[in-house]
Amino acid sequence: AQTVTQSQPEMSVQEAETVTLSCTYDTSESDYYLFWYKQPPSRQMILVIRQEAYKQQNATENRFSVNFQKAAKSFSLKISDSQLGDAAMYFCAYWPGSARQLTFGSGTQLTVLP
Amino acid sequence: EAGVTQFPSHSVIEKGQTVTLRCDPISGHDNLYWYRRVMGKEIKFLLHFVKESKQDESGMPNNRFLAERTGGTYSTLKVQPAELEDSGVYFCASRKGGSVEQYFGPGTRLTVT
Repeated sequence: AQTVTQSQPEMSVQEAETVTLSCTYDTSESDYYLFWYKQPPSRQMILVIRQEAYKQQNATENRFSVNFQKAAKSFSLKISDSQLGDAAMYFCAYWPGSARQLTFGSGTQLTVLP
Repeated sequence: EAGVTQFPSHSVIEKGQTVTLRCDPISGHDNLYWYRRVMGKEIKFLLHFVKESKQDESGMPNNRFLAERTGGTYSTLKVQPAELEDSGVYFCASRKGGSVEQYFGPGTRLTVT
């Protein structure tokens, strides 16, 4: 069975600084997708960034980028130039594709300090 | 385009009562998922519909939970009778066939007292 582990329950970062959230996963599949979702307080979860396992190039979306290490089964999220609006719970998720479900980590609560 | 909506946003019920949660997916999304997050833990899969058919209900905790998706549109999740351990946030997500992203609703926070 697939598992996703987020070892940092809480993280904090100073505004304008950079922070990295960690995620590791376990799977025997060779093709899959990895996601980072963001859930701000009392708001719905939105997709921040996704990575296809077959792509070697790390995904980037503006200030958000990932460090995908397939052999190590690691998928960390880097947030550059942190903003107050980045404060949220961040979930790492794994999807093997097809008609199957997402598997989530337990989340990392990110606080951005002014 | 309207997003995934869920109703109610909050529900507080007593142990033994019945609660029905509703999810309206994005129009045209055949795939509908239910997930649940209990306090401080992972978001766990409950079940997956493709149109009106249950594709996978392996995550349903027990037979007190009943999910339906009438006509392949909105879905309901009924808990009867509710127990204390059912408390948590219930998320619904939808996905268009052939695409990757699941779009989440805001969740329903269920408190069983």
